[in-house]
Amino acid sequence: DQQVKQNSPSLSVQEGRISILNCDYTNSMFDYFLWYKKYPAEGPTFLISISSIKDKNEDGRFTVFLNKSAKHLSLHIVPSQPGDSAVYFCAAIYNQGGKLIFGQGTELSVKP
Amino acid sequence: NAGVTQTPKFQVLKTGQSMTLQCAQDMNHEYMSWYRQDPGMGLRLIHYSVGAGITDQGEVPNGYNVSRSTTEDFPLRLLSAAPSQTSVYFCASSYGAFQETQYFGPGTRLLVL
Repeated sequence: DQQVKQNSPSLSVQEGRISILNCDYTNSMFDYFLWYKKYPAEGPTFLISISSIKDKNEDGRFTVFLNKSAKHLSLHIVPSQPGDSAVYFCAAIYNQGGKLIFGQGTELSVKP
Repeated sequence: NAGVTQTPKFQVLKTGQSMTLQCAQDMNHEYMSWYRQDPGMGLRLIHYSVGAGITDQGEVPNGYNVSRSTTEDFPLRLLSAAPSQTSVYFCASSYGAFQETQYFGPGTRLLVL
């Protein structure tokens, strides 16, 4: 049972345009969400996070939006750059359980 | 400052063999974790540790053992390898709980025949 789902395995975007990566979750106990970015043959690197008490967090070109009623979060990258081409994982935590659950990942390709 | 290091980078095992995947960090982080990455499954937490001498199970712990005798090292042991354990394994560490930024190693690619 996949508690965190990224239903789009891949996304292709033109350089300079907006990239929107989506993530859905089923467990209402999740109270913290993170996005990680992964290049081939490397480990994931932390990108941005958001607490469940917020609905938006922004860091430079990256913004994460959280819609708790829909159990949905999204990562917006504006403007997209070729160096953003990577696999993006969303992840969720519920403190009481102490567990971190990742989605399946979305491969973003930004074309020049 | 090497960050999180993992050895070996690649390993081939026969079914039933045992091996230990090594993980070390030099950032004095309390939290360390092991994940496996499989196609279409994302990253799944195997075991984690909140400090030396303390370990706990993650989402997919069966077939794996861990111990944490020092802050720096967190080895993952496969006692009797199975083809289902073919995967890419990542070790990670963080200063605090999972909300804190985790630093991942480069991964170990394991093939079990």
